[in-house]
Amino acid sequence: EPEVTQTPSHQVTQMGQEVILRCVPISNHLYFYWYRQILGQKVEFLVSFYNNEISEKSEIFDDQFSVERPDGSNFTLKIRSTKLEDSAMYFCASNRQPNEKLFFGSGTQLSVL
Amino acid sequence: QKEVEQNSGPLSVPEGAIASLNCTYSDRGSQSFFWYRQYSGKSPELIMFIYSNGDKEDGRFTAQLNKASQYVSLLIRDSQPSDSATYLCAVNMDQAGTALIFGKGTTLSVSS
Repeated sequence: EPEVTQTPSHQVTQMGQEVILRCVPISNHLYFYWYRQILGQKVEFLVSFYNNEISEKSEIFDDQFSVERPDGSNFTLKIRSTKLEDSAMYFCASNRQPNEKLFFGSGTQLSVL
Repeated sequence: QKEVEQNSGPLSVPEGAIASLNCTYSDRGSQSFFWYRQYSGKSPELIMFIYSNGDKEDGRFTAQLNKASQYVSLLIRDSQPSDSATYLCAVNMDQAGTALIFGKGTTLSVSS
C-alpha cells in the first residue's frame, strides 16, 4: 500500500528557532493535511491544503505556522519561532477527497527545549 | 465548539469477548464518521468509516451510527490481544469541510 513519508522522525530544537517538517504525500492524492498530537492528548487538526492553497485551518494554526508545496512531491510545515508548547508529534496526512480514507505518515516528534 | 467525546478507559476485556467502544459528537450536521486505531507512539490507522445511519460490518468490526442521538460506536468481536490499542473516533462535521475532529480515544486492553 502507498505511504505518506515524513522526515525527520525526530527533531530537537531550541525555543525561538525555526523548524521545517517535511512530508511526501501519496502521489495521486489531492488533499494534504497537518495534524499534531501532544503527548497524552488528542489528535488535533492544524491545516488542510488543496490546489496550492490552504483550504481550512484551526485556531492553533496561527501566524507562526505556514505550509508550502515547494515542488510536485513535497509538502512542508514551517514553525517560525518555536515555543515549548509546540512540542508534539506532528502527523502529515493525505487523501483524494476530504471524506475518504485519510492516510497518515509515521509522524515527526518535535521537541522544543 | 465542535467536540467529539469518548470515554478514555481503559476498557478491559478477555480474549474472545466483544469490546464495545462509544463516541458522541456535538454537531448534528456531521456527515462522516471514522474509527482509527493508534498503537503507542504510532500514527492513527483507519479501521472503519460510516456515513449512514445503521450498522456497517467489516470482518470482526461493526460500526454503528445513530445521527438522531449523535452517537457512533465500534464493536470488536472475538477480541484479540493484538487489538489492544487506543481507538480514536473522528468526525467530519462540515459537509464542505476538510478537518477531522478527533476524540481523545478509548484505550482497550485485551487479556489472554
